Amino acid sequence: QQQVKQSPQSLIVQKGGISIINCAYENTAFDYFPWYQQFPGKGPALLIAIRPDVSEKKEGRFTISFNKSAKQFSLHIMDSQPGDSATYFCAASMRETSGSRLTFGEGTQLTVNP
Amino acid sequence: AAGVIQSPRHLIKEKRETATLKCYPIPRHDTVYWYQQGPGQDPQFLISFYEKMQSDKGSIPDRFSAQQFSDYHSELNMSSLELGDSALYFCASSFNSGGSYNEQFFGPGTRLTVL
Repeated sequence: QQQVKQSPQSLIVQKGGISIINCAYENTAFDYFPWYQQFPGKGPALLIAIRPDVSEKKEGRFTISFNKSAKQFSLHIMDSQPGDSATYFCAASMRETSGSRLTFGEGTQLTVNP
Repeated sequence: AAGVIQSPRHLIKEKRETATLKCYPIPRHDTVYWYQQGPGQDPQFLISFYEKMQSDKGSIPDRFSAQQFSDYHSELNMSSLELGDSALYFCASSFNSGGSYNEQFFGPGTRLTVL
């Protein structure tokens, strides 16, 4: 059972457009929500992360929106570029003193056409 | 900046053989995590260690074992390899500062192929 559900599975956007990826979770104990970018054959790279005490976080062209009551969060990529073409994973974890596992969504394959 | 180092990067084994994957965390990081990623799938958590003690355990087969050493590097030992073990294996590390949100940084992965 997927604890973090991600959509869409794939996304095609034109250069300069906005890419939007959505995630939903069930476990209310999750309190840390990062997004990772992964290129083929490479390790996931941390993009941006948010805690449930804020509703939005922006870093450059990347913005996370968080809706605690709906248990949903999303990634917005503004001015999408061909170099953004990759697989994006949302994740969630529970803060623990000894480190917390990440539970990933299924991933979204983003293609940005030139 | 220093990143997580994994070795080897590629490994080819026969069924029923054993394999050892190594992970060197970012300097001063005290927690390591192991994940397995099949083709087209999301990474699945296997096991983690904090200060050389197992801290969390996920869907790791009994054929696999892992440990973290005094220098904080970690090794994942895999025995009686099966075809289904073919995957990318990632190590991640974080600095657990007690009560903080532990950002996990991933290594480049080891691609294991079992023939």
